[in-house]
Amino acid sequence: DSGVTQTPKHLITATGQRVTLRCSPRSGDLSVYWYQQSLDQGLQFLIQYYNGEERAKGNILERFSAQQFPDLHSELNLSSLELGDSALYFCASSDRTGSPLHFGNGTRLTVT
Amino acid sequence: GQQLNQSPQSMFIQEGEDVSMNCTSSSIFNTWLWYKQDPGEGPVLLIALYKAGELTSNGRLTAQFGITRKDSFLNISASIPSDVGIYFCAGTSGSRLTFGEGTQLTVNP
Repeated sequence: DSGVTQTPKHLITATGQRVTLRCSPRSGDLSVYWYQQSLDQGLQFLIQYYNGEERAKGNILERFSAQQFPDLHSELNLSSLELGDSALYFCASSDRTGSPLHFGNGTRLTVT
Repeated sequence: GQQLNQSPQSMFIQEGEDVSMNCTSSSIFNTWLWYKQDPGEGPVLLIALYKAGELTSNGRLTAQFGITRKDSFLNISASIPSDVGIYFCAGTSGSRLTFGEGTQLTVNP
């Protein structure tokens, strides 16, 4: 158990809809990262937050947004969903930028 | 941007065989990490390397941080069926973490 909690585990929704994925980092970790993993592909970095502030941005679409709250949990919002957004979305946390990441078990999003 | 070339992309081996995979880059990294991802689960950290030349073991796994700081390898000895999964290397440079594309390992009993 990595200590990183992601909910929900599975999400099925229709095109055009909006969903929110939630992540609770390991106790004491200030940094939260979001990754997207499509079928048979690697981990695509989306965005990083550190102690509530955006720290780095990767290949995150404009339809996607994220935030980290004062209690350090984070949410990833995906809107105007398309079929191609179907993927596993992972949250990871670390105690500081540059430290090894610890991953949650992901949210599997299926857009129909 | 920084890129990691991980090879091989996939491996099919017999139980009991040793396995070796590696990552190379044109950039220098300060830390090398190796993760394993089981189907439907998140990547799990296997080994973290922090110094050039460092050789670290975790059970049947051994990883090394290359002297040039531009490469790393992971060896698995005496493979068993539960070694099946995707192995990812990752390197950090400053605040940036870069992942390799992964090596899919299949172990035939």
